[in-house]
Formats: sequence, C-alpha cells, structure tokens
Amino acid sequence: KAGVTQTPRYLIKTRGQQVTLSCSPISGHRSVSWYQQTPGQGLQFLFEYFSETQRNKGNFPGRFSGRQFSNSRSEMNVSTLELGDSALYLCASSLEQNNSPLHFGNGTRLTVT
Amino acid sequence: EDQVTQSPEALRLQEGESSSLNCSYTVSGLRGLFWYRQDPGKGPEFLFTLYSAGEEKEKERLKATLTKKESFLHITAPKPEDSATYLCAVRGSGGSYIPTFGRGTSLIVHP
Repeated sequence: KAGVTQTPRYLIKTRGQQVTLSCSPISGHRSVSWYQQTPGQGLQFLFEYFSETQRNKGNFPGRFSGRQFSNSRSEMNVSTLELGDSALYLCASSLEQNNSPLHFGNGTRLTVT
Repeated sequence: EDQVTQSPEALRLQEGESSSLNCSYTVSGLRGLFWYRQDPGKGPEFLFTLYSAGEEKEKERLKATLTKKESFLHITAPKPEDSATYLCAVRGSGGSYIPTFGRGTSLIVHP
C-alpha cells in the first residue's frame, strides 16, 4: 500500500511570493492534516480536512490556507511568504479522527530567501 | 489544553546500552498515546498506539509502556540504526481530537 506522497520535496522561494504544496493520502484515508515543523517550535498543527471540509484549524495567519479534493488529495497554499515560513511542511493522513494514528509523508522542505 | 513533555531532549548511548525515553502528558480523556520515530529529512514514522494505563507494545528493540500520567519508550541493546528523534503525541476526547505532539528526544547511538 503506497504511503503519503508529498510534492515537491524541496522548494526555494523569495519573500513575497506564494507557494502551493501537494499531498496524496494513503488510499482509503479521508482525513488529511498539515503540520509545520521547525527546530525551534517542533510540530505545529496547521489544519485538518475531512471530506473536502476544513474541520480544524491551528493558530496560523490567514496567509496559510488549504483545500481537499473529492479524491482526498489535499493542497496547502502560503501567500506573501516571509523568511519565518522556512520549515518542513508535513502532511499526514488517517482513517478516522477518533483513535487512528496519523501517517506522515516525508514533507516539503520550504526555504524562503 | 492537552500538554506533552518529553525528556531528555537529547540522549547519547553506546551500542548495547539500554535506556528509556519519557513522555509526560496531561489530557482530558485519553483517546490514544502515539510514538513516532523521525529520521533527518523525513516525516515521522508511526511506531505504537497505547490506549489505557498498563498497556504495553513491543517492536524489535523497542517497548512502549503507559501509565495515567506518562509513557516510556524502552530501548533494549540499541544499535546505531536506532539513532533518530522519537516523538510522542496524545489525543484527548475534549474538543478537536487533533493530536498534541511533544518536542521529541534526539537519540544518538554510538558504535
């Protein structure tokens, strides 16, 4: 069974630009979550989607947005990039919300210069 | 608010030197405690889920245990390939069910 796939693996962008990251969950998984990981803050929750609806949102500014498609694939977008947005962005999928573990992709490493 | 504290932040062991990593938590109604392993440049890899105090899970040299306030990840006779960051997360029954992660323990095993 294929795992969670994230593309691209690496991105270099300039301040002020925008970026779109993509995530394909494990087949059959309908919940997709996004996390930002930095050395200083650890894993920070961005948002969670289920059946194309955003169900939960973390404490990030409105520049961070996402969506989920009918096939459960998800994208996240960051507009007006700042230097502090440099991080590893991780996507995770799960079967259901209550007690299933998250399964993570290998992330997209975003560098903002 | 759910909270997870992992200790130590970093641990260096010699190959074969057994030790334990700690995950202390506060949560409203535990629905699951999760352990992950993360290698540099990769996403966290799921290891175990524990649901209730007294439960234990094993996988190769790793054994996870759970009490009402903390979980331990015991590493028996570690090898250099066990070097990684180990993350703990809890999911509670209050609110959103979104897991709360600890900052992790960075483990280095020297040959």
